[in-house]
Amino acid sequence: RKEVEQDPGPFNVPEGATVAFNCTYSNSASQSFFWYRQDCRKEPKLLMSVYSSGNEDGRFTAQLNRASQYISLLIRDSKLSDSATYLCVVRNQGGKLIFGQGTELSVKP
Amino acid sequence: GAVVSQHPSRVICKSGTSVKIECRSLDFQATTMFWYRQFPKKSLMLMATSNEGSKATYEQGVEKDKFLINHASLTLSTLTVTSAHPEDSSFYICSVSEARNTDTQYFGPGTRLTVL
Repeated sequence: RKEVEQDPGPFNVPEGATVAFNCTYSNSASQSFFWYRQDCRKEPKLLMSVYSSGNEDGRFTAQLNRASQYISLLIRDSKLSDSATYLCVVRNQGGKLIFGQGTELSVKP
Repeated sequence: GAVVSQHPSRVICKSGTSVKIECRSLDFQATTMFWYRQFPKKSLMLMATSNEGSKATYEQGVEKDKFLINHASLTLSTLTVTSAHPEDSSFYICSVSEARNTDTQYFGPGTRLTVL
């Protein structure tokens, strides 16, 4: 079983739509959680950290459920520029980042 | 955030040659650098952790004699793929973290290696 699992997609949505991505992780001792964004043939870039209390950054909302070992990302009012692959990332107790496979999002006009 | 550069950005080589990839931290001293590899449509996989002035720590399944890592200064780490084969073709990405804040990693732009 993969340490971090995501639905690879692709998710094809129209502009303005709300889209949600889910992620599960297997190691209950994981310490920190993140969503990264990766554009085609580029390096990943930190989108936001994820906290148990939930956190929001503009159109992006991230949630963490430690009991279910589940992380989510909600994107409201999708823009064309949101098209990318979204990586769920977990930091394990050894300090290493464990990346999910990524969920591909394509926002269409 | 930190600025991290990698060189070259893209390299095509013949099977059997060795390829060196440089990772530079441009605006802070990076005591720790990380090397990742990403195959198409796959997740980033940590290959090794590089600490300045000491030997790199390799992940399970990564051959240390094939992927030579040198972290001779606080701003430069190199990854050398020795005797490259087509199956080594991949996207190699480095990242750096500050000693005072290991919670954040800053990624380089990556190097795309194609071995013919």
